[in-house]
Amino acid sequence: DQQVKQNSPSLSVQEGRISILNCDYTNSMFDYFLWYKKYPAEGPTFLISISSIKDKNEDGRFTVFLNKSAKHLSLHIVPSQPGDSAVYFCAASVDYKLSFGAGTTVTVRA
Amino acid sequence: NAGVMQNPRHLVRRRGQEARLRCSPMKGHSHVYWYRQLPEEGLKFMVYLQKENIIDESGMPKERFSAEFPKEGPSILRIQQVVRGDSAAYFCASSFRDRLSGANVLTFGAGSRLTVL
Repeated sequence: DQQVKQNSPSLSVQEGRISILNCDYTNSMFDYFLWYKKYPAEGPTFLISISSIKDKNEDGRFTVFLNKSAKHLSLHIVPSQPGDSAVYFCAASVDYKLSFGAGTTVTVRA
Repeated sequence: NAGVMQNPRHLVRRRGQEARLRCSPMKGHSHVYWYRQLPEEGLKFMVYLQKENIIDESGMPKERFSAEFPKEGPSILRIQQVVRGDSAAYFCASSFRDRLSGANVLTFGAGSRLTVL
């Protein structure tokens, strides 16, 4: 059951520009949404989260937007930096359990 | 990922053998979560344990898989009679509460990559 979907497997962006990653979900019971970043041979690292009662949360270069009516969220990274090249996972939680999307591989070009 | 320790990082087994993966959560944490990542997929919940107690094992395959978190020592994920389809990365996690959003955030270890020949 694919409750969280990331429909873009990859994204290429120029250094300094904005990266926009998208995520859709089906379960209206999700109470929090999270973004994780993963480098090869490492575990996922938490980036930012948002409560289902909010529509925006910002932390430095990272902003997450939530559209509950569309069951859609996005992560904006601006400006994009070479170190941002990684796989980004969208996740959603009900209580303690996280459901993950399949990930989007971001490549930041110099 | 500092704090959640997993070993081995890589494990190779032949079909029919047993695999044991170990996880020590962050210091002072008494709960661990196990997730599995199959190739080209996201992480999937397997089991949630506290010391000497399984809280939720709804993501565990019904056969061959078991998990424990004893009073002393690391959590163990055990896979008996491994098959090629068990080849995956297995991640363990501790949790904390994000002070900004209130979300229950998982902090993952570096993972154990199991290859079944």
